[in-house]
Amino acid sequence: DQQVKQNSPSLSVQEGRISILNCDYTNSMFDYFLWYKKYPAEGPTFLISISSIKDKNEDGRFTVFLNKSAKHLSLHIVPSQPGDSAVYFCAASGERALNFGKGTSLLVTP
Amino acid sequence: NAGVMQNPRHLVRRRGQEARLRCSPVKGHSHVYWYRQLPEEGLKFMVYLQKENIIDESGMPKERFSAEFPKEGPSILRIQQVVRGDSAAYFCASSPDNNYGYTFGSGTRLTVV
Repeated sequence: DQQVKQNSPSLSVQEGRISILNCDYTNSMFDYFLWYKKYPAEGPTFLISISSIKDKNEDGRFTVFLNKSAKHLSLHIVPSQPGDSAVYFCAASGERALNFGKGTSLLVTP
Repeated sequence: NAGVMQNPRHLVRRRGQEARLRCSPVKGHSHVYWYRQLPEEGLKFMVYLQKENIIDESGMPKERFSAEFPKEGPSILRIQQVVRGDSAAYFCASSPDNNYGYTFGSGTRLTVV
């Protein structure tokens, strides 16, 4: 039962452009959402988070938007850089632990 | 190094053998989580532990898998009688409390041959 869904397995964006990664969830009880970034052969690292009482959180080039009515959140990276190429996981707070999506592999091309 | 330490990084086991995966949390973190990533899959929650207690093991297979986080020493994920389907990357994360501020380790890649 996948409660957090990332329907795009991969995304390719040109350097300097905006990257938009999407995430949908099914459980309306989720109240905290996070994005993690993962490079090959490494563990996920925390990127940015948002509480359900907000609809936007910004940190430098990264912005997360939350649409509670649609149960949808998105991560915007602008401008995208080649070093942003990684797998991005969306996560939502469950009762005891985080629930992760399957990830979106972002490739930023020069 | 203040990060989560997992060892070994790579582990190869023959079918039927036991696999023991170790996780030392960030110093001062008392909450440990184990996740499994199968090929082409996301991170699947397995178990949540605090010192000497299993808080939630709802993601653990009912047989062959066990986890502990003793008062002293690392957390251990133990897989008995491994099968090919156990081949995956196993990630450990820790947090100072249950506030979702996870720090992940680099994972143990288990290959069952």
